[in-house]
Amino acid sequence: GQNIDQPTEMTATEGAIVQINCTYQTSGFNGLFWYQQHAGEAPTFLSYNVLDGLEEKGRFSSFLSRSKGYSYLLLKELQMKDSASYLCAVSRPYSGAGSYQLTFGKGTKLSVIP
Amino acid sequence: DTGVSQDPRHKITKRGQNVTFRCDPISEHNRLYWYRQTLGQGPEFLTYFQNEAQLEKSRLLSDRFSAERPKGSFSTLEIQRTEQGDSAMYLCAIQLRADTQYFGPGTRLTVL
Repeated sequence: GQNIDQPTEMTATEGAIVQINCTYQTSGFNGLFWYQQHAGEAPTFLSYNVLDGLEEKGRFSSFLSRSKGYSYLLLKELQMKDSASYLCAVSRPYSGAGSYQLTFGKGTKLSVIP
Repeated sequence: DTGVSQDPRHKITKRGQNVTFRCDPISEHNRLYWYRQTLGQGPEFLTYFQNEAQLEKSRLLSDRFSAERPKGSFSTLEIQRTEQGDSAMYLCAIQLRADTQYFGPGTRLTVL
């Protein structure tokens, strides 16, 4: 079975740093994704971790520990436009070569306040 | 721009009616996925195409749902005899580098 947990809601102040955690228990694992989703819009790709460690991309960083089934998304220098839901998703391969299934958590709704 | 368009963007229908959604990748992509997302939930996998072959179907895809990708380019998702529980955002995604999936803008379905 697949189980992906992340906090439902978080609030942070503009200019601050926030860390959104994700824990997972899945049968099969290839990598972990983070997507950003503004209200009423489709998810947009933020980051992808396959190996353990930290991946930095501008104001956003993502960390993965495969042995612990744990990831986090770190957002620095928060801006009002960062108010959105952040979705953690685990990728696992299908039987067909090169094909992958994404299983999503329920998302963390981040509110950035002045 | 993710290179995926979906049509319509919004659809309001009455219970019992049939609806069809279309997904158009801008360029050819082998792998195309459909997801459904309800309020407060993450996207849930519905089905997957590799070229024109439908290789995976979720148990969420009841017999009222059918998907096609006739020429391995665009795809359609049809829901017959819609129910209020079908109200959701229907998302199409293409797989680009590695296993990264990029989503189209989605079709929001409201069943009255």
